[in-house]
Amino acid sequence: AQTVTQSQPEMSVQEAETVTLSCTYDTSESDYYLFWYKQPPSRQMILVIRQEAYKQQNATENRFSVNFQKAAKSFSLKISDSQLGDAAMYFCAYRSATSYGGSQGNLIFGKGTKLSVKP
Amino acid sequence: DARVTQTPRHKVTEMGQEVTMRCQPILGHNTVFWYRQTMMQGLELLAYFRNRAPLDDSGMPKDRFSAEMPDATLATLKIQPSEPRDSAVYFCASGSQGSSVYVSNQPQHFGDGTRLSIL
Repeated sequence: AQTVTQSQPEMSVQEAETVTLSCTYDTSESDYYLFWYKQPPSRQMILVIRQEAYKQQNATENRFSVNFQKAAKSFSLKISDSQLGDAAMYFCAYRSATSYGGSQGNLIFGKGTKLSVKP
Repeated sequence: DARVTQTPRHKVTEMGQEVTMRCQPILGHNTVFWYRQTMMQGLELLAYFRNRAPLDDSGMPKDRFSAEMPDATLATLKIQPSEPRDSAVYFCASGSQGSSVYVSNQPQHFGDGTRLSIL
């Protein structure tokens, strides 16, 4: 079974600075997707960024980028020029790309990292 | 923007009562997922449907939980009888998935969740 680990329960960053959130995962599959979701206090689950495992190029969405290391099974999120609105829980998630193993597209989540942004 | 709609947003009830949570997936989406979020366990999959058919509900306590899709615009999650340990936030998510064994790379869209408190 696949697992996702976020080793940092809490992180803090100064406004306008850069912060990196860590995520590692365990899988025997070669085809899969990885996601970062943001959950602010309003508890919405907001997709931040996604990465297909077959792509070598790291995904980027404005101030958010990932460092995807497939061999190391690592998928970290970098937030540049941090803003107060970035304060939230961040969840790393894994999804199989095929249904051979019984998966039908459900997400497997890490426990989350709570990010605080200091003004 | 199309959204997944969940009702109610909050529910407080006494132990032993029946609880019904509803989800309206995004029009055109054929896959529905129910997740439960607690402090201790994080986000866990309870059940998922494709084309209204239940594909997996192994994450649900079968004796008290039931999930159904009476039609393509409504998914329900029921707890009867409810217990204090069921207190959590319940999320519904929808997505699109074809009949291929390859899982779509399109992200799931989450509703705002139902915060359930069982006294």
